[in-house]
Amino acid sequence: AQKITQTQPGMFVQEKEAVTLDCTYDTSDQSYGLFWYKQPSSGEMIFLIYQGSYDEQNATEGRYSLNFQKARKSANLVISASQLGDSAMYFCAMRERNTGNQFYFGTGTSLTVIP
Amino acid sequence: GAGVSQTPSNKVTEKGKYVELRCDPISGHTALYWYRQSLGQGPEFLIYFQGTGAADDSGLPNDRFFAVRPEGSVSTLKIQRTERGDSAVYLCASSQWDYNEQFFGPGTRLTVL
Repeated sequence: AQKITQTQPGMFVQEKEAVTLDCTYDTSDQSYGLFWYKQPSSGEMIFLIYQGSYDEQNATEGRYSLNFQKARKSANLVISASQLGDSAMYFCAMRERNTGNQFYFGTGTSLTVIP
Repeated sequence: GAGVSQTPSNKVTEKGKYVELRCDPISGHTALYWYRQSLGQGPEFLIYFQGTGAADDSGLPNDRFFAVRPEGSVSTLKIQRTERGDSAVYLCASSQWDYNEQFFGPGTRLTVL
């Protein structure tokens, strides 16, 4: 089974609107971390936001927030007030306590912001 | 401060040749990771170093792949007898031991003809 599933290969959003990128995960571990990374066309992976499995509040970092629904095993990324520079690939990732430092990445979602 | 750097940025080689890819992590970061990213896919874990030792090499696809980090800083990923299927972007990342965030380098695009 896939550890991380991103079902949206491509998304479009109007500039200044909000967009949600979906991510579901699969783990039997009680302790894990969830991450979102942005990969522009330049190729570098840029860390956006982190959510720990024991964190009770949803993580927020500026215009990024993580909608963490533990029972549903989902960790959707919400980008508010989209900007043209947000156009990129977005990857959801997970690290489990039991597997140490392995990061499992999804297949990514390509976001295009339309002016 | 400098981020993670990787050299070369691009490498084109012929099938059967040997290649070395270099990663310079952020100064002071003890953990170092190698990933492989094929077109249209997310990064795939290869190997993880804590200090000088390979703490987890379970992601290396076969014995043609090997990585070292002799002084606990710079790491080299070595691929012997390259195959066309090895063509991908090889990403390196580093992190401080107690921190969750990984910082990625720009990657090396390997093309095996």
